[in-house]
Amino acid sequence: EPEVTQTPSHQVTQMGQEVILRCVPISNHLYFYWYRQILGQKVEFLVSFYNNEISEKSEIFDDQFSVERPDGSNFTLKIRSTKLEDSAMYFCASSRTGNTNTEAFFGQGTRLTVV
Amino acid sequence: AQSVTQLGSHVSVSEGALVLLRCNYSSSVPPYLFWYVQYPNQGLQLLLKYTSAATLVKGINGFEAEFKKSETSFHLTKPSAHMSDAAEYFCAVSPGGKLIFGQGTTLQVKP
Repeated sequence: EPEVTQTPSHQVTQMGQEVILRCVPISNHLYFYWYRQILGQKVEFLVSFYNNEISEKSEIFDDQFSVERPDGSNFTLKIRSTKLEDSAMYFCASSRTGNTNTEAFFGQGTRLTVV
Repeated sequence: AQSVTQLGSHVSVSEGALVLLRCNYSSSVPPYLFWYVQYPNQGLQLLLKYTSAATLVKGINGFEAEFKKSETSFHLTKPSAHMSDAAEYFCAVSPGGKLIFGQGTTLQVKP
């Protein structure tokens, strides 16, 4: 069964460092998403990506964040200069369409710890 | 703006008992609603979704949810809890593409 895969599963980084979280969406999906979940809080939408550009982003997704689909299979989230408050579980998701009733498939998440 | 609220961050039931996880939504247009489950160390998995075709929606693993417009609710139920149902459950609404999640409810199943 096709699935969304994320690497690494855990990442520890020092404050101020850049991190790149990687995702391989399901191959025939066209829409890609990043969400995050700070410990004890709800899962929050960060950004959606379609046709090689951002289609929507939340107010959380400020200038320190960027997304890229560098090679047609990977979908990456880069945090330029990490802060302590960026510590969270980051989920990648993909869907075939961007319609409201289309199921999004989620990866297992990357737990990012900023120290 | 659309939103969902899950009542109860933690629900504990005995094995074989009814499971009821509550979700209320806020939306000015007919909503598309979802329940996702997250088992330990795994990603979010779709349990079921409401897309206005039927108010009672059946999902995987014996779960179902009923859309009640008058109560703005989309509660998740299962007649008989199993130990393997222990997980975190998220209600979500989709205003278009993205998902807006509730706070999540951790279901504990006691033997």
